[in-house]
Amino acid sequence: NAGVTQTPKFQVLKTGQSMTLQCAQDMNHEYMSWYRQDPGMGLRLIHYSVGAGITDQGEVPNGYNVSRSTTEDFPLRLLSAAPSQTSVYFCASSYSGINYGYTFGSGTRLTVV
Amino acid sequence: AQKITQTQPGMFVQEKEAVTLDCTYDTSDPSYGLFWYKQPSSGEMIFLIYQGSYDQQNATEGRYSLNFQKARKSANLVISASQLGDSAMYFCAMRGGKGAQKLVFGQGTRLTINP
Repeated sequence: NAGVTQTPKFQVLKTGQSMTLQCAQDMNHEYMSWYRQDPGMGLRLIHYSVGAGITDQGEVPNGYNVSRSTTEDFPLRLLSAAPSQTSVYFCASSYSGINYGYTFGSGTRLTVV
Repeated sequence: AQKITQTQPGMFVQEKEAVTLDCTYDTSDPSYGLFWYKQPSSGEMIFLIYQGSYDQQNATEGRYSLNFQKARKSANLVISASQLGDSAMYFCAMRGGKGAQKLVFGQGTRLTINP
């Protein structure tokens, strides 16, 4: 039982490049989310999914794209990287229900130069 | 909309003292869950404690307890007998009962335990 697996752990991109952050969970969780963490701002929700084929925007969706073709996978795509997207990115998953906390991946530290 | 506010950017306490980390929240959902997470310097997010909006008693997990005051919309984390290993960022979060049940975080409090 691996939990939530994020890859890569570190990435450096040049402005304008695109890339995909991978996220996979093996707990059969319905809910999956992507957050970014910036100093002093906590974790802000980028996109989330309540099940395969269903995604929606969070608080800071601009510049990011997601899809959810399977229950297990929820990749995050940066369409054209900008220095403002330098951040730590976390993927998280959960069962449905307010009494369930989210399980987090180990994070991806992304630097855009 | 849901909102979590943590007003203490940083806290410094002596080892073995108790510490209270503040959290206030705002929501129109009658049903919600409140969570605290710990983020040590290694970066992982560790779940600490949960409180449901309908729970009559304050949640406890070992040295962690949650001081839940529903009327005041506060959910403060209390750590008893602090240890050096408690030095970390602490995040309060809320999950609403309606719709997508998104987990919304506060800005966090950096706790430093001094020997």
